Amino acid sequence: GQSLEQPSEVTAVEGAIVQMNCTYQTSGFYGLSWYQQHDGGAPTFLSYNALDGLEETGRFSSFLSRSDSYGYLLLQELQMKDSASYFCAVKAGGGADGLTFGKGTHLIIQP
Amino acid sequence: EPEVTQTPSHQVTQMGQEVILRCVPISNHLYFYWYRQILGQKVEFLVSFYNNEISEKSEIFDDQFSVERPDGSNFTLKIRSTKLEDSAMYFCASSEDEQYFGPGTRLTVT
Repeated sequence: GQSLEQPSEVTAVEGAIVQMNCTYQTSGFYGLSWYQQHDGGAPTFLSYNALDGLEETGRFSSFLSRSDSYGYLLLQELQMKDSASYFCAVKAGGGADGLTFGKGTHLIIQP
Repeated sequence: EPEVTQTPSHQVTQMGQEVILRCVPISNHLYFYWYRQILGQKVEFLVSFYNNEISEKSEIFDDQFSVERPDGSNFTLKIRSTKLEDSAMYFCASSEDEQYFGPGTRLTVT
């Protein structure tokens, strides 16, 4: 079976840094993706890690530790528009394998 | 920037009716997917499609569902006889590596 655990809600202040964690238990592992979803919107791809370490894309960074079955998404210089849900998703195999999503972390940004 | 498109944005249908949801994947992508998201819940994988055939499907994707790539650009999801519990957002996605999602079709079954 596949399961991903994420905190349900995180609150942070505008301009600050926030880290959102994801732990996973899956029968296979190919990579960990992160998606942002605003209310009523589509999941938007943010970042992907297949190997251990940190990937940086602008204000977003994602980290993976395969030995710990753990990853996190780091958002810097928080803006009000970053208020959204953030999902981690595991791809168990290559090619056309589907993603298994976590339940998501709802990020609330306060001024 | 190329994007996945989906039509219609909202579909209302009566229980027992057939619906077809349409998607145009990003043109140079090889892999296509359908996901659904029931209101307030996580995104769930339904099916993936590669080289004109189903590659993988979840236990949700039962005999009521089918997918087709009728031409070089469209990718469709058909629900044969809709049930109330099929009400959800349905997202199409396509990929070379990372999966990119369309804006979704909100299906409401009454």
